[in-house]
Amino acid sequence: KAGVTQTPRYLIKTRGQQVTLSCSPISGHRSVSWYQQTPGQGLQFLFEYFSETQRNKGNFPGRFSGRQFSNSRSEMNVSTLELGDSALYLCASSPGSEAFFGQGTRLTVV
Amino acid sequence: KNEVEQSPQNLTAQEGEFITINCSYSVGISALHWLQQHPGGGIVSLFMLSSGKKKHGRLIATINIQEKHSSLHITASHPRDSAVYICAGENFGNEKLTFGTGTRLTIIP
Repeated sequence: KAGVTQTPRYLIKTRGQQVTLSCSPISGHRSVSWYQQTPGQGLQFLFEYFSETQRNKGNFPGRFSGRQFSNSRSEMNVSTLELGDSALYLCASSPGSEAFFGQGTRLTVV
Repeated sequence: KNEVEQSPQNLTAQEGEFITINCSYSVGISALHWLQQHPGGGIVSLFMLSSGKKKHGRLIATINIQEKHSSLHITASHPRDSAVYICAGENFGNEKLTFGTGTRLTIIP
């Protein structure tokens, strides 16, 4: 069974640009959550999608958004990138209990 | 004060030693997760527990709901156990995870 797949693995963007990250959950998992990990703040919850609906949201500005498609794949978008958005972005899928994490997308904003 | 706190922040031990990492939380949670993160970023879920104790190979996780405390133990530690261990509390009702700051474990051969 394939694990959680995140693409791309690495990304470099300049300030002001926007970026879209993708997460393909484990087949059958309907819940997808996104997390940001930085050296200063550690791991922080961004949002969670379930059956194409945002079920929970963390304390991030509106520049951070996401969506989930009917096949449970999810995308996360960050607009007007700032240097502080440089981080490892992780997604996790869940069948309802345990979370399974992807390898993450390392975003560098220059 | 963080809602989920871990100690120690860094831990270096010799191969074979018994390891204990502690996690305390100040809010009500429905479950406590222990995660392992290797260099490069990939995270593996080790345990999810809401009461008592769970064991998987050389890893043991315990939780005391009354004391709002959980521990992760590693027996017969090995250099391949070197990683960052993160505990996370799952909120009641919305499954949102609140993370501790992590414990960086280094096992020396």
